Amino acid sequence: DIQMTQSPSSLSASVGDTVTITCRASQNIDTYLNWYQQRPGKAPRLLIYVATNLQNGVPSRFSGRGSGTDFTLTISGLQPEDFASYYCQQSYSSFLTFGGGTKMEIK
Amino acid sequence: QLQLQESGPGLVRPSETLSLTCTVSGGSVNNMNYYWGWIRQSPGRGLEWIGSIYYNGITYYNPSLKSRVSISVDTSKNQFSLKVNSVTAADTAVYFCARHDGSSYLRPFEYWGQGTLVIASS
Repeated sequence: DIQMTQSPSSLSASVGDTVTITCRASQNIDTYLNWYQQRPGKAPRLLIYVATNLQNGVPSRFSGRGSGTDFTLTISGLQPEDFASYYCQQSYSSFLTFGGGTKMEIK
Repeated sequence: QLQLQESGPGLVRPSETLSLTCTVSGGSVNNMNYYWGWIRQSPGRGLEWIGSIYYNGITYYNPSLKSRVSISVDTSKNQFSLKVNSVTAADTAVYFCARHDGSSYLRPFEYWGQGTLVIASS
């Protein structure tokens, strides 16, 4: 199976900051990488698919980059509603796997 | 607006079978344009894909769970279901049903149910 490793596992930031979360795959996954946001007690929400594509309705302050094994999710100008957990997920192999998550908290 | 709702017992005894149903509203499971899936989340294992099903019953499973898991679809009730056999404490998790955003189970999960907590305990 393809292991997905996210870093950092947690971070503190302030409203208005720009933050970047990293996701690394244990092998090449081309651009088959998706990002989700999860607020406490809620289901994950799809933000970015196929590495760089913004899901409908997701604010443009969210952006994704990368290919191969290294990917990033950047949030430019954090808003209060962005403080949540973020997960990457690969859809390259027939065994779908998620990263361990990044929990973002208000500084 | 598509909505998914999980239902089933919140408590399952070890060695017994966990059974959950996902009821879909605002759309049809009998649709060749989408796959439907189950994902679970626990503090120890994070988010874990369990498996996915197509409208015609084609299934794909997480290899680590395949021997104990079964997913089925009931188009007459607009539902799909999950069974996990021989449960242990490690199967305690919040279980989500979801819809992929295309006719491949390799597409991302676009719509999710709210999730239901299942505890495996005597």
